[in-house]
Amino acid sequence: DQQVKQNSPSLSVQEGRISILNCDYTNSMFDYFLWYKKYPAEGPTFLISISSIKDKNEDGRFTVFLNKSAKHLSLHIVPSQPGDSAVYFCAATISNFGNEKLTFGTGTRLTIIP
Amino acid sequence: DTAVSQTPKYLVTQMGNDKSIKCEQNLGHDTMYWYKQDSKKFLKIMFSYNNKELIINETVPNRFSPKSPDKAHLNLHINSLELGDSAVYFCASSQDMGAWDYGYTFGSGTRLTVV
Repeated sequence: DQQVKQNSPSLSVQEGRISILNCDYTNSMFDYFLWYKKYPAEGPTFLISISSIKDKNEDGRFTVFLNKSAKHLSLHIVPSQPGDSAVYFCAATISNFGNEKLTFGTGTRLTIIP
Repeated sequence: DTAVSQTPKYLVTQMGNDKSIKCEQNLGHDTMYWYKQDSKKFLKIMFSYNNKELIINETVPNRFSPKSPDKAHLNLHINSLELGDSAVYFCASSQDMGAWDYGYTFGSGTRLTVV
């Protein structure tokens, strides 16, 4: 049962434009969401997170939006740069549960076209 | 300096063998994890340890045994390897179990191939 879904396996965006990566979840108890970026042959790198008490969090070029009613979040990258080409994973957790763990989506491969 | 280091990076072995993957973190974190990424690229937790104490043990075959000699190390030993164990195994650490504003720090992964 995949509780975190990234339905777009790949996305291509022109350099300088906005990249929008989407993520849906099914477990309404999730209350913290994270985005990770992964280059080939490397481990995932933490990008940004958002608590369910917020609907937006931004850090530089990266902004995450959360729509709890739709159980949907998105990561916006503006402007997109060639170095952003990577696989992006969405993850979610139920915090304060005592044995918190991250549940990951299957990733979206983002390619930035120069 | 590598924050979370795993060895080996690649491991090719025959069915039925026993192998270990080592993980060390120099971040002073209290919690360490093992995740498995299967052929469908699905990252799934296997174990977590907090200050050497086992916290999470997902439905993993008991052929997999984690060992944490101290809070900076979390090794993974696998007995009687099977073809289905082929995957990339990631070690990770975090300051504590609820540090979601910072996430985990992952190692670069160990690609295990069972032939």
